[in-house]
Formats: sequence, C-alpha cells, structure tokens
Amino acid sequence: EVQLVESGGSVVRPGGSLRLSCVGAGFSFNEHAMHWVRLLPGKGLEWLALITADGVDSYYGDSARGRFTISRDNFRKSLYLQLNNLRSEDSALYYCAKDALPTGTIAFGGVFDYWGQGTPVTVSS
Amino acid sequence: EIVMTQTPLSLPVTPGEPASISCRSSQSLFDSDDGNTYLDWYLQKPGQSPDLLIYTLSYRASGVPDRFSASGSGTDFTLKISRVEADDVGIYYCFQRMELPYTFGRGTKLEIK
Repeated sequence: EVQLVESGGSVVRPGGSLRLSCVGAGFSFNEHAMHWVRLLPGKGLEWLALITADGVDSYYGDSARGRFTISRDNFRKSLYLQLNNLRSEDSALYYCAKDALPTGTIAFGGVFDYWGQGTPVTVSS
Repeated sequence: EIVMTQTPLSLPVTPGEPASISCRSSQSLFDSDDGNTYLDWYLQKPGQSPDLLIYTLSYRASGVPDRFSASGSGTDFTLKISRVEADDVGIYYCFQRMELPYTFGRGTKLEIK
C-alpha cells in the first residue's frame, strides 16, 4: 500500500523558516517524481514544486520560486520542502504528492495518484 | 502561467439529479505533438486529501464510478456527474499540466440540497 506521510508543519513568525518532510512507502520512491501542493484557506489548491526522480531537476510555481526549495533523499525515501522568508499568505495545509508516471523516457507526467494527509503551516506573529 | 477558471463556485444538487462543472483555460491544453489534452480533475472530500478523478481530459482514474465523465477541447472543459450521490460532496478542481507551472482552478463546491 502506497503511503505518504508529511511532517514539519508548525506555527512560525513572519520571516521565519521551516523544513517540511514527506516519507514515502509502498512504492519505488526513486522511480517517481514528487510534488508539493498546498491548500490555501478559502482559495483552493496551489501547485508549488516538483523534483525529478533522480533529484537533478526541480521546477517551481510562481509563489514558491526564490523562497522555497524542494529536495529529496532517495536512500531515506524522503522528500523535503524548505520554506524561507515566510509570509502570512503562506499559511496553508501542505501536501506531498506522488507523480503517477515511473521515470523513463519522460521524467514526470504531472498526474498525482497518491497524496499525503498534509502538514499545517501557520505564519503569524 | 495558464489561468484556470471554474464555474460555478458553488453547486447545490438534489440526489439523483445530474451535475455539471465547467472549466476554462487561458491557453489551449491540447498538445498537437501527441494528441493529448492535459486537463485533469480532482475531488477533495471534506476532511480528506484530494483524489484523482479524471486524467488527460476524459480518462477515469481507478475506482471512479462511470457516473463521472469529462469532455472538452482546447480551452473549454466539462465534468459531468450523471446522478449525484451524497458521497459526491466536496470541492472539485480542474488542473492543467500542459505547461509549467501547473495550475488549478479555484474549485467548485458541490453540496447536497
């Protein structure tokens, strides 16, 4: 059974930093690109970032670029999201999601077939 | 970035009745190189993580009942539920993966009358 378990969310002051983690199980973690998506209160889902299976390439949404960094450790079957210079508008539930496409000719497909339960981040003074 | 616009934002439906959600993209999601349209639908039920419903325009994800169907072309898309059940409540999101950055619509909240 595929499982994704996020952790690391907490209350942080504006300008602060956090590192979110996501541990995968039940699938070949090193064969799938991984994504971070957040649920903003009253605004819906926002795709943040993706990292290829080998960790070499990463891509970001406009809100994440320059402040957030996605990374992974395939030995530990873990995905990370470093959040820096946090703002109140970053308060959200952060999900990791598995890309459905096993890496091959195409590095990622962008279909999210499994999601974690989310980890909450609150940015407040 | 490609902007996804969903309507309506709220959709009250009587059980057993059909429902329809529209989604429009600011650019075509049709890839002429492979003939695919990169538009997906997700459902987030209350208190749960999102689930994949439909991928690549019209393919139902595993376990999704055939009451759900999706269609469209270019920039205009529709998700249809032939007969709404109580378990269908939640927020439906369209999603484009034609181009990075990927983007979601704002969501349509389906509720039971």
